[in-house]
Amino acid sequence: AQSVTQLGSHVSVSEGALVLLRCNYSSSVPPYLFWYVQYPNQGLQLLLKYTSAATLVKGINGFEAEFKKSETSFHLTKPSAHMSDAAEYFCAVSPSASKIIFGSGTRLSIRP
Amino acid sequence: DADVTQTPRNRITKTGKRIMLECSQTKGHDRMYWYRQDPGLGLRLIYYSFDVKDINKGEISDGYSVSRQAQAKFSLSLESAIPNQTALYFCATSDSVGGEYEQYFGPGTRLTVT
Repeated sequence: AQSVTQLGSHVSVSEGALVLLRCNYSSSVPPYLFWYVQYPNQGLQLLLKYTSAATLVKGINGFEAEFKKSETSFHLTKPSAHMSDAAEYFCAVSPSASKIIFGSGTRLSIRP
Repeated sequence: DADVTQTPRNRITKTGKRIMLECSQTKGHDRMYWYRQDPGLGLRLIYYSFDVKDINKGEISDGYSVSRQAQAKFSLSLESAIPNQTALYFCATSDSVGGEYEQYFGPGTRLTVT
């Protein structure tokens, strides 16, 4: 069965520091992978997606993620955190066209 | 205007009441989904519909029903609400043609059952 594990339900970094949010997946077939962001009182917004075209994927707001098949990982990074990055981030895997499986989410806090 | 809209945005209801949450989209997508979000559990799929005549149960469909009134409209009903259905509910859409499985979400409906 496909699943997604996000390590750390809450991550706190200082403004200007590196952001690293971890995601590992299990899938029996090559998956599509996504990161979504949820700002307070809003729906989920697609941050970036991996569709096998390139292992390093660039998204909006300076975020990027690298697909590592050998590690079954799809970690999200940003070189320098901004206060506006404070939100909840969801990793998701889509093994087929019928569904997306979401991780439990990681809340990112930014310290001034 | 938002591509995926949900009404109401907030609702408080009592145990045993019937309630309907509505979702409309202007994206022209054929597929629509209902999720609930609970703290620490991420999003869980309630029902999904690939077109007006194709409706499928998700992982947590018990206690819920849906109706796909048109390609653009997908409503979720709680026939007899109970307190553990208190959650944030999201509607989403996706495109089976040319899409790469990503889904687009509405702003959510916060439902409280007392």
